[in-house]
Amino acid sequence: AQKITQTQPGMFVQEKEAVTLDCTYDTSDPSYGLFWYKQPSSGEMIFLIYQGSYDQQNATEGRYSLNFQKARKSANLVISASQLGDSAMYFCAMRDIAKYSGGADGLTFGKGTHLIIQP
Amino acid sequence: NAGVTQTPKFQVLKTGQSMTLQCAQDMNHEYMSWYRQDPGMGLRLIHYSVGAGITDQGEVPNGYNVSRSTTEDFPLRLLSAAPSQTSVYFCASSDYLNTEAFFGQGTRLTVV
Repeated sequence: AQKITQTQPGMFVQEKEAVTLDCTYDTSDPSYGLFWYKQPSSGEMIFLIYQGSYDQQNATEGRYSLNFQKARKSANLVISASQLGDSAMYFCAMRDIAKYSGGADGLTFGKGTHLIIQP
Repeated sequence: NAGVTQTPKFQVLKTGQSMTLQCAQDMNHEYMSWYRQDPGMGLRLIHYSVGAGITDQGEVPNGYNVSRSTTEDFPLRLLSAAPSQTSVYFCASSDYLNTEAFFGQGTRLTVV
């Protein structure tokens, strides 16, 4: 069975500092996808970044980057130059590509990290 | 851009009542899913569909039914609501090219 572990229930970070949110995963499948989602207090799920298990390079999307260390089964999210608007819950999720064909299917989520950016 | 639309946004039910949570997407996506989110937890998969007429169970399917008669719609039915089904429900969609799941705004359901 797949499992996602986010070990930081909450984090306080000063504005403009870089932030690393930890995510480790456990799967025996060779083909999988890793996602990060942001959930602000308003409740919607906002897609941030995706990394495929066969991707050679770490994914980047603007201020977000994914530090993918396959051997360690680690997929940490890095937010550069944090902003007050980054305060939210952040979820790491994984999809078994062999079992579920589409991006929406079979996402296994971690319990999340509550990030608070302080001015 | 409508994307994924869920209705209602809020609902209060009495134990034993039935209801249907609606989900519609206008992106012609093949794949649609329902998740529930409980306090202190991430989202958990209830049911999913890989196309019209095809559905399957996820991690926590008990107490819920789904059907997919059209590509656009994927309703979630609570047959006999229980307090344990108090949660926030999210519908999501994507196609096989997507590396992103598009989520609806969520439905906050309270069963009393």
